[in-house]
Amino acid sequence: ETGVTQSPTHLIKTRGQQVTLRCSSQSGHNTVSWYQQALGQGPQFIFQYYREEENGRGNFPPRFSGLQFPNYSSELNVNALELDDSALYLCASSRPGRVRHNRGNEQFFGPGTRLTVL
Amino acid sequence: KNQVEQSPQSLIILEGKNCTLQCNYTVSPFSNLRWYKQDTGRGPVSLTIMTFSENTKSNGRYTATLDADTKQSSLHITASQLSDSASYICVVSRRFYYGGSQGNLIFGKGTKLSVKP
Repeated sequence: ETGVTQSPTHLIKTRGQQVTLRCSSQSGHNTVSWYQQALGQGPQFIFQYYREEENGRGNFPPRFSGLQFPNYSSELNVNALELDDSALYLCASSRPGRVRHNRGNEQFFGPGTRLTVL
Repeated sequence: KNQVEQSPQSLIILEGKNCTLQCNYTVSPFSNLRWYKQDTGRGPVSLTIMTFSENTKSNGRYTATLDADTKQSSLHITASQLSDSASYICVVSRRFYYGGSQGNLIFGKGTKLSVKP
């Protein structure tokens, strides 16, 4: 176990709905990254939060948004769900240190949230 | 463009046999390379991590190699077990991350390994 938790584990939504996924980082970690993993594919970077601020973003539309809280837990919000949003959503936390000068701080992954959009 | 390519895409082997998975990368500047094991529907779990100065790293029956000159890595699994059935993902970390659309981790698509009795 990595100490990173995600909730819920599974979720079923319909097109057009909104969803919030949650992630609790490992103790002592101040950076959280979110990834979308479609079936049979590698994870795709959505965005990263460092000390409550967005620190980089992948090629995802604005309807994907996030938050990081003072305790470094994080939320991923997706509005106007589309069928293609069906995927495993992973969050990963990493140890303290400026992410801009990442010297390979290991990211520890949570178990993921499986989102199905019907 | 920063990329990680893995081969084969999938592999079926018999229990007790050995296998080797390949990873080629074009990531700059390079920080380290990790192999993860991912069970279906679960988060990836780190198996090994190597910096450019390390050319081999073992974790039980898993042995990873790295050739930083040719930008190639391999993961060798010895005496496979049914529980080794999973996807194995090669991930290369960039040394500095100045934002950008890929993040600081560049993922391969994984090799899906099936171990049959």
